[in-house]
Amino acid sequence: QSVLTQPPSVSGAPGQRVTISCSGSTGNIGTNTVHWYQQVPGAAPKLLTSSSHLRPSGVPDRISASKSGMSASLAIGGLQSDDEGDYFCAAWDDSLIAYVFGSGTKITVL
Amino acid sequence: QVQLQESGPGLLNHSQTLTLTCDVSGGSINSASFYWSWIRQSPGKGLEWIGRIHVTGSTAYNPSLRSRVSLTMDTSKNQFSLRLTSVTAADTAVYYCGRGPTGYYDTRGDHHYSGVDAWGPGTSVIVS
Repeated sequence: QSVLTQPPSVSGAPGQRVTISCSGSTGNIGTNTVHWYQQVPGAAPKLLTSSSHLRPSGVPDRISASKSGMSASLAIGGLQSDDEGDYFCAAWDDSLIAYVFGSGTKITVL
Repeated sequence: QVQLQESGPGLLNHSQTLTLTCDVSGGSINSASFYWSWIRQSPGKGLEWIGRIHVTGSTAYNPSLRSRVSLTMDTSKNQFSLRLTSVTAADTAVYYCGRGPTGYYDTRGDHHYSGVDAWGPGTSVIVS
């Protein structure tokens, strides 16, 4: 059972905007930076963005992250077929002294 | 651009000890700027952080694995390793090494964590 909770799946038509939620607690999301990863089948995860708004080079600005209290969100605008995959949130947990991941959300482009 | 590559046995028997190595190129693990992690993914499941290590020797481990796991570094070879004892079928997974997460202070003095910003391709481990 994951420490951070995400919906199992979200879907949207090409060009639409989708959001993924990530729910945690005071010790993780409530205190620390939330990171988002994308994983396509057969590949390693890739860091997409974080709640501190740092985005690795090559990640388009239609992808953004936010955080409020003990919840975080990832938004993807202008949905494209390349966006299909699994998305994971993660954060350092000060109580567990460990890095914790969400359960993952599968994005399907209709 | 830093690159990571995992290596180790693909198949183990129940109760054996798993040892994996991560070779780092394009950057030095001797840098005080980064922690280095191991993360795994069981078939069809999510990601599980195993632990991280820093050149100072500082380590942190997933509480659920702490009694069986240890991380070490060999700066002369620019590599770090994972040792997991008493493996069972539940340890069957793809194992990834990565750079981060690492804490830092921004220019305003606020503390943040960088994510795992570089990953190896992963190595499959099956416990029979």
